[in-house]
Amino acid sequence: EDQVTQSPEALRLQEGESSSLNCSYTVSGLRGLFWYRQDPGKGPEFLFTLYSAGEEKEKERLKATLTKKESFLHITAPKPEDSATYLCAVQAPGNQFYFGTGTSLTVIP
Amino acid sequence: EAQVTQNPRYLITVTGKKLTVTCSQNMNHEYMSWYRQDPGLGLRQIYYSMNVEVTDKGDVPEGYKVSRKEKRNFPLILESPSPNQTSLYFCASRRTGNEQYFGPGTRLTVT
Repeated sequence: EDQVTQSPEALRLQEGESSSLNCSYTVSGLRGLFWYRQDPGKGPEFLFTLYSAGEEKEKERLKATLTKKESFLHITAPKPEDSATYLCAVQAPGNQFYFGTGTSLTVIP
Repeated sequence: EAQVTQNPRYLITVTGKKLTVTCSQNMNHEYMSWYRQDPGLGLRQIYYSMNVEVTDKGDVPEGYKVSRKEKRNFPLILESPSPNQTSLYFCASRRTGNEQYFGPGTRLTVT
């Protein structure tokens, strides 16, 4: 069964305290792994797409990496405005997408 | 401005009363999807469409219908809503192989 698991469920960081979010997946024929940011009351906003093991993408304080079974979203020196829920999703063959339940990140000033 | 719009944004209805949630995108995307988001369950795909007149079931299609008569529109139809369909619904669109753009969401309550 195709599945996506994110950990931790919630994470509180002091401003400037770097950390990583994990997304592990089991899917046959991965066509892409996606990271999204979701703010309260809004739709998910795209961050990154990763297609193959070893691939890395960066954007400001965020860096996403991919292995054969998991992906990490590294947050370096976070700021309060980085507070949000971060969602991981995988695309399986046949245009189906599976999302994790997300990691709720709070960055304290 | 490139966007996905949904209407209504909030809806309270009663069991069995048919309703339609509209979704429209202005990016000429081929693919469109509907999701529901529930606490502890995350986003789950209801239906998706690869192009006009081409739709397929996602993970949780029971109780829902969709149609794709025009490329820009992808309405979600609940013929006989039930309380277990109370949820936050998102429409999304994308080009082939690319990231999804999500609408602002529709919060549906069925009493």
